Amino acid sequence: VLTQSPDTLPLSPGERATLSCRASRSVGDNFLAWYQQKPGQAPRLLIYGASSRAAGIPDRFSGSGSGTDFTLTISRLEPEDFAVFYCLQYGSSPFTFGPGTKVEIE
Amino acid sequence: QVQLVQSGAEVKKPGSSVEVSCKASRGTFGNSTINWVRQAPGQGLEWLGGIIPILDIANYAQKFQGRVTITADKSTNVAYMELSSLRSEDTAIYFCARYSAVGRKHFPFDIWGQGTMVTVSS
Repeated sequence: VLTQSPDTLPLSPGERATLSCRASRSVGDNFLAWYQQKPGQAPRLLIYGASSRAAGIPDRFSGSGSGTDFTLTISRLEPEDFAVFYCLQYGSSPFTFGPGTKVEIE
Repeated sequence: QVQLVQSGAEVKKPGSSVEVSCKASRGTFGNSTINWVRQAPGQGLEWLGGIIPILDIANYAQKFQGRVTITADKSTNVAYMELSSLRSEDTAIYFCARYSAVGRKHFPFDIWGQGTMVTVSS
C-alpha cells in the first residue's frame, strides 16, 4: 500500500513543492515512479527508479528516497506544474498507485 | 515515437461485458508490456493487469481475476482488455499504457493511450 502526503498542497508559482510517498513495505529495486496528471489528460511519467528523470522532463523535477520513503521535489513551481501527482510502485505485482497529491495555486 | 490509440467510449448495461482496444501507431509493441489502468470519476489510478504481446503472457491484479481478460495481436500491434460482469462501480476511464525496458533500465507506463470512457448504467 502506498500513501501520499499531503492530500493537497496550496502553493504559489516560484515556490518549492515537496511531495511524499510512503510504502507499507520496501519497494523492490527502488522501482518507484512519479506521474503528473492534468484534468482531462492521461498521466505523464516524470520520474522512474525513484530518482531518474524521464525523457523531456525539466530538471526542476527531482526524485529521491529508497526503501519505503520517497520524495518528489519541484524546485520552483511554474504555472503549468499545478496538477495531481501520483506515485507508483512497480517492484512487485500488483503494481499499485498512491492516492495522489493535488498541487494547487494558493 | 510510438503512440497508443484507444477505441471510443462505451455505454454498457450492468452484467454485460466491454472490450476496449489499444493500437500502437507510428511503431510497434516491440518487447514491451501493455498495461491497463483505470480511473473512476474524480478518483485515483488503479492497475488492472498487463500483457507481453511478444510472449502472449498476461498478468492480472487479483481484484480483477476472473473478470478481466487482456489479449494482444502482435501481428497488428493491437491489445485488448475485456471486462465482464460489469457493475456501476466499473464506470471509469480505461487507459492502456506501455511498460518498456532497455537493459536494466525500466520505463514504467512511459506512453499512455488517450483513455476510453466506459459507462455502466441501466
